[in-house]
Amino acid sequence: NAGVMQNPRHLVRRRGQEARLRCSPMKGHSHVYWYRQLPEEGLKFMVYLQKENIIDESGMPKERFSAEFPKEGPSILRIQQVVRGDSAAYFCASSPSRTGASYEQYFGPGTRLTVT
Amino acid sequence: AQKITQTQPGMFVQEKEAVTLDCTYDTSDPSYGLFWYKQPSSGEMIFLIYQGSYDQQNATEGRYSLNFQKARKSANLVISASQLGDSAMYFCAMREGQRGAQKLVFGQGTRLTINP
Repeated sequence: NAGVMQNPRHLVRRRGQEARLRCSPMKGHSHVYWYRQLPEEGLKFMVYLQKENIIDESGMPKERFSAEFPKEGPSILRIQQVVRGDSAAYFCASSPSRTGASYEQYFGPGTRLTVT
Repeated sequence: AQKITQTQPGMFVQEKEAVTLDCTYDTSDPSYGLFWYKQPSSGEMIFLIYQGSYDQQNATEGRYSLNFQKARKSANLVISASQLGDSAMYFCAMREGQRGAQKLVFGQGTRLTINP
């Protein structure tokens, strides 16, 4: 039973380029969360998605960032016109149920984005 | 206001000793869940233990136990008989409510170093 998959594991982009981060949730999970971790800090929530729906995007920057979770395929976090401040580890997590009580969120290995 | 506070940026402990990592939280929601995650130097987030706000007993998972003091709003992680492999960052996190917001709010983390 494969865990949460993220790719790429490491991504280097120059300022102004686009970054696309992919997340495949665990089998049977239909809820995906994206978090960002700046160096030496805790994870910060960005967005929560179900298939074809954005449930909570309260942590997403207003500009340049977008996320989707299509009916088929992985969830994508897209960062347009990257800047140095976007350099961080981006984690995806999935869970089996929105209203489950104790279901922990299973995390992927993360994508380390470096903007040069 | 900080929802999750971890007051120990770093801790150093001798191998085989027990260690307590502090976590206090702030919420007005009567229904919430508390989580601890371990992040080794390789970067992945490993779920350790969960405590629900209505749980009567403190959660335990092997060498990990959660000292849940609801009135004081604290959820300290206790690791018994520490091992060298326990050296890592440890994050406390909270999820508020059974429905609606499912995002996790993380603390800043505690870097634990186990000395031989």
